[in-house]
This record gives sequence, structure tokens and C-alpha cells, in this order.
Amino acid sequence: EDQVTQSPEALRLQEGESSSLNCSYTVSGLRGLFWYRQDPGKGPEFLFTLYSAGEEKEKERLKATLTKKESFLHITAPKPEDSATYLCAVQAIGSGTYKYIFGTGTRLKVLA
Amino acid sequence: AAGVIQSPRHLIKEKRETATLKCYPIPRHDTVYWYQQGPGQDPQFLISFYEKMQSDKGSIPDRFSAQQFSDYHSELNMSSLELGDSALYFCASREAGEGYNEQFFGPGTRLTVL
Repeated sequence: EDQVTQSPEALRLQEGESSSLNCSYTVSGLRGLFWYRQDPGKGPEFLFTLYSAGEEKEKERLKATLTKKESFLHITAPKPEDSATYLCAVQAIGSGTYKYIFGTGTRLKVLA
Repeated sequence: AAGVIQSPRHLIKEKRETATLKCYPIPRHDTVYWYQQGPGQDPQFLISFYEKMQSDKGSIPDRFSAQQFSDYHSELNMSSLELGDSALYFCASREAGEGYNEQFFGPGTRLTVL
């Protein structure tokens, strides 16, 4: 069964304290892996797409990496405005259509 | 840049009433996805449409139906509403063609069933 697991569920960091969020996946056929940021009551905001193992993407303080089994979202020197829930989603190939499977997210809180 | 538009943004209904949520995808996007997100939960996939035809079906209750119109906007029709239907409903759209795999989400409709 296709599955996406994110860890930790919640993370509290001091401003400037770098850390990583994990997204482990099990899918029959991987089309792509996506990271989103979601603020309370708002729609997920697209951050990155990763397609193949070894690929890396960067945006400001965020860097996403991908292996054959998991992806990491590295946050370098976070600021309070980075506080949000970070969602990982996997696009799987199934029955000729593209399904997206979301993880349950990591709630990040960055303290000033 | 244009984003996904959803209406209404907030909706309050009584039990057993019906509701219609609307989604207007980003221009040139031909695929629409509907998600339901409860408090503290990840988005649960309901249903998707590609070129006005249903392309995939997730955990959408039989009380719900949806369609995509010729202008690519989509509507989610919800009948016999239950208290448990209270949630954020998101629409996402994706651009046509190979290599365009990212979904872009709308701001959501918050449905409250009393």
C-alpha cells in the first residue's frame, strides 16, 4: 500500500537552530515528491518538487533532498516566520492516473 | 500571478442541508483536485478531474458529487450534510502536459455544519 510518513510530528526550534524534517515514502511507482508549507487556515503553499534520488532543491533557508526511500527538508538558521506545518506529498502512478498521497505533516514552531 | 480561486471562503450550513463549493483553476490548468482537511489532519483526497472527466476517486462520500465544466472550473456538491463534514475544503489545480506535476492549492472553503 502506498504510504507517506513524516517525522517528527511537531518540532520546536530556537531562532537560528538548524534542523531537518523527514518524509519517508513507500509507493509502487514514484512520479515526484513535493514539499508544501501550510499556515493555519490557509491552503498549502508549494515549495519544491523532487523527481529522482540525489536531487536537491534550495530556496532561501530551505533545502530539500531526495533518496530512494525518503526526503529531507533542511531548515538552516530558521526564523519565527518559518513557523508553519510542512507537508510532504508523493505523486504515485496508479491505474493510468496520477494520485497524490500526503503525509500528516510536521508542525514547526520557531521561537524568537 | 493568478492563483486558484475558491468560493465561498466560509459557509455555514445546518445538518441535512446541501452545499456547493466552487473552484476556479489557474489559467491553462486542466486538472482539478478536491481535498478535505480536518483540524490537525493532512489533506484527504476526495476526487479529481482531467479535461472535464473524473480521473481519480478517493475517499469521497456517496453524498458528495463533483464535476468539471467546459471552462475547467469545478463544483463540489454536498448533500445531507453531517456534523462530521465540517472541515476545510481545498481545491488544487495542475497544468496540462508532461513535466507539470505540481499542484497549486486555493485558499480553501471553511465549511461549518451546525
